[in-house]
Amino acid sequence: DAGVIQSPRHEVTEMGQEVTLRCKPISGHNSLFWYRQTMMRGLELLIYFNNNVPIDDSGMPEDRFSAKMPNASFSTLKIQPSEPRDSAVYFCASRSTGYNEQFFGPGTRLTVL
Amino acid sequence: ILNVEQSPQSLHVQEGDSTNFTCSFPSSNFYALHWYRWETAKSPEALFVMTLNGDEKKKGRISATLNTKEGYSYLYIKGSQPEDSATYLCAFANQAGTALIFGKGTTLSVSS
Repeated sequence: DAGVIQSPRHEVTEMGQEVTLRCKPISGHNSLFWYRQTMMRGLELLIYFNNNVPIDDSGMPEDRFSAKMPNASFSTLKIQPSEPRDSAVYFCASRSTGYNEQFFGPGTRLTVL
Repeated sequence: ILNVEQSPQSLHVQEGDSTNFTCSFPSSNFYALHWYRWETAKSPEALFVMTLNGDEKKKGRISATLNTKEGYSYLYIKGSQPEDSATYLCAFANQAGTALIFGKGTTLSVSS
C-alpha cells in the first residue's frame, strides 16, 4: 500500500486566493483526519470523518475553511480566501475501524504571502 | 477541553545518554494513549499504543509506561543515538472511534 497520499506537497499562494489540499487515505480505512501543524499550537485537529461523514469540525478555525469527503478514497480541505496566518503544514491521516493508530500522510506545506 | 501536556519541550543529550519524557493527560474517561516519533521533514510514525493502567511497551532501546489513574505516561530512551533525534508526540483518546488529541511534543537532539 502506498500509504496516505497528499497533494500538493508544497503550495505557495497569495493572500485572497483559494487553496485546495487533497488527501487519499489508505485503502480500507474508514476514518480520515485533517490536522494543522504550527509552532504555536503544535498538531491541532481540524476535522475528522467516519465513513465519509464529518463527525467533529469544531477545530476548523473559521468559515474560510471547509472540508469534504465525497467518497471513501478522497478528501479535500479548502481555504477561501487564504490569509498569511493560514501558513502551516497540513497533515491528513487515516485509520481503520477498531484501531486507534492513525497513519499520517507526508503533509502539505502551505505558504500564503 | 481535553489537554495533553508534554515535558520538557526540548532537550539535548550526548550520544550514549539515557533520557525520558513525560506526557500528562486527563485521568478520567481514558481509552488509549499513543506515542509517535516525528522526524524532520517526515510524517509522524506510531511507536506504541497503550490502553491498560500499568502497561509497559518496549521497542529496542525505547520503552514506555502508562499510569491511567494519575494521568501520565513516560517514554524512555536508553543509550541515545543521533538517529533518535526527532520530536516525540503523545496522543490521547477518551473513547473508541474518536480522534486523537496530540501534545505539542518533546524535541530530542542527540549529539555524537
